[in-house]
Amino acid sequence: AQSVAQPEDQVNVAEGNPLTVKCTYSVSGNPYLFWYVQYPNRGLQFLLKYITGDNLVKGSYGFEAEFNKSQTSFHLKKPSALVSDSALYFCAVRQPYSGAGSYQLTFGKGTKLSVIP
Amino acid sequence: NAGVTQTPKFQVLKTGQSMTLQCAQDMNHEYMSWYRQDPGMGLRLIHYSVGAGITDQGEVPNGYNVSRSTTEDFPLRLLSAAPSQTSVYFCASSPGTSGVTNTGELFFGEGSRLTVL
Repeated sequence: AQSVAQPEDQVNVAEGNPLTVKCTYSVSGNPYLFWYVQYPNRGLQFLLKYITGDNLVKGSYGFEAEFNKSQTSFHLKKPSALVSDSALYFCAVRQPYSGAGSYQLTFGKGTKLSVIP
Repeated sequence: NAGVTQTPKFQVLKTGQSMTLQCAQDMNHEYMSWYRQDPGMGLRLIHYSVGAGITDQGEVPNGYNVSRSTTEDFPLRLLSAAPSQTSVYFCASSPGTSGVTNTGELFFGEGSRLTVL
């Protein structure tokens, strides 16, 4: 079974400071990893993904994430936080394609990011 | 381009009533899915479909039915609502269904907030 852990329910950071939102995962085989963001009363929006290749992936709105296979982690980062980054962030994982049934994307419980002016 | 459209946005039911949450996408996506979001539990997959006429169960399918008669539509039916089904429901779609074309990037609707009394 695949799973995702987001160890922090909430992360507070001052505007302009770097931010990190943590994610660890468990999956059979090489993982497909994702970050999504949810603004209040909205659906989730895709930020970035790691499928293969460079361990550092860049995504929307200046976010990036680093895949670390040995630590089974996929932490979300941004060099300089904005107040508008305040939202709920979800990490998700799925296993490599192996036919029907392998499409399931498993989400973490979410981390609320608050950027303080 | 409307993307993924969910209706209704809000609904209040009494225990035992039935209803259907509608989901439509105009992106010709093969893969469609329903998730429920509950506080502190992230998103959990209810049912998914890899094409017209094909559906399968996700993590929490009990109490819900789905059908996929067209590529565009994927309604979720609650046959006899229970208070435990109070949640926010999200429909999501993705292009392709093979491992090459479906890497997991989901497009979400805005959500349907359901309260069962």
